[in-house]
Amino acid sequence: DAKTTQPTSMDCAEGRAANLPCNHSTISGNEYVYWYRQIHSQGPQYIIHGLKNNETNEMASLIITEDRKSSTLILPHATLRDTAVYYCIVRLTSGTYKYIFGTGTRLKVLA
Amino acid sequence: NAGVTQTPKFQVLKTGQSMTLQCAQDMNHEYMSWYRQDPGMGLRLIHYSVGAGITDQGEVPNGYNVSRSTTEDFPLRLLSAAPSQTSVYFCASRETPTDTQYFGPGTRLTVL
Repeated sequence: DAKTTQPTSMDCAEGRAANLPCNHSTISGNEYVYWYRQIHSQGPQYIIHGLKNNETNEMASLIITEDRKSSTLILPHATLRDTAVYYCIVRLTSGTYKYIFGTGTRLKVLA
Repeated sequence: NAGVTQTPKFQVLKTGQSMTLQCAQDMNHEYMSWYRQDPGMGLRLIHYSVGAGITDQGEVPNGYNVSRSTTEDFPLRLLSAAPSQTSVYFCASRETPTDTQYFGPGTRLTVL
């Protein structure tokens, strides 16, 4: 599975969009990008995933660059409850079974 | 659905003691995993299972055993607890074909 690089920490003002970047320059053509978050020592929570196209759901949007070497998770209107550690993971969806987490980005939403 | 459940929530052991962390899921997922998370760190994969009777090692398997006799249950056994195993342990099950993982609430283990 490809390795990912994320900033250690970020701040965002409440009500503004939070844009969390992830670099995955060694991603291969059939690897997906997944995002999870972990709120204060709870179990991680799935947010979104994608392969090539941009994706949106009720929680967030995922923007993947055309060369797929980087992506951005967007929380459109951050709230205090979005304060968490956000993990970007690149992996195949089947055929391999390991899900490797990195250290993530600690997002702090400020009032 | 209860999702993924873990027991106990908290546990204190003495060095050398053994114990089993329980994990159960009611979503009929084939794939299940155990992770540990040390303070300020990300999650590290201990063991995983792709179905009943099939298990394999992750990144940090030493000192832990697993078995998978049913689809629902995936217990993690500490054979002889050491202070280095003080951590928070998360169990997860995986949905196919999206490969979305669902995590339990965690077990906070302290080894003295």
